[in-house]
Amino acid sequence: KQEVTQIPAALSVPEGENLVLNCSFTDSAIYNLQWFRQDPGKGLTSLLLIQSSQREQTSGRLNASLDKSSGRSTLYIAASQPGDSATYLCAATGNQFYFGTGTSLTVIP
Amino acid sequence: NAGVMQNPRHLVRRRGQEARLRCSPMKGHSHVYWYRQLPEEGLKFMVYLQKENIIDESGMPKERFSAEFPKEGPSILRIQQVVRGDSAAYFCASSPPSFLNEKLFFGSGTQLSVL
Repeated sequence: KQEVTQIPAALSVPEGENLVLNCSFTDSAIYNLQWFRQDPGKGLTSLLLIQSSQREQTSGRLNASLDKSSGRSTLYIAASQPGDSATYLCAATGNQFYFGTGTSLTVIP
Repeated sequence: NAGVMQNPRHLVRRRGQEARLRCSPMKGHSHVYWYRQLPEEGLKFMVYLQKENIIDESGMPKERFSAEFPKEGPSILRIQQVVRGDSAAYFCASSPPSFLNEKLFFGSGTQLSVL
């Protein structure tokens, strides 16, 4: 069974800093890897989707990479802003979507 | 094109009552997923449905919980004889038939509180 782990569980950084969130998965037979953002009391919003044949995807200040062979994905956030404060979850797609437990990010003004 | 719609947004039930949570997927989406989220915990998969079929219910408790996605109308997650431990946020997500390379879209969730 696919298991997805995210480290760290919580992260606090000063505004303007670049940061990396980590996601690891046990079964490399995935179709894609998605990164989501969840604000308190809200549903999840998909940020980036990396297909299994791709190595990375970029959207604005966000860059996600995928290394299937090692079972790892990273989400890089450049020049962090207080508005980036949220919980970030990754999900590996197999025969369904397997979610990590998330990283709670706080960007301090 | 409206997003994934869940209702009610908040639901309060007393122990022993039934809770019905509704989810209307995005237009054109035929796959629905239900997740449960407890405070400070991640999303726990419950059930995956396509129209009129349950594809995977491995995450759903065997008793008191049931789900359906009829040919017409929203998907329903039903919890019978609720207990305090059922209090959680329940999220629905949908994807198109070609879900393998498509983004997953979530509703805003239903917060269930059992008194």
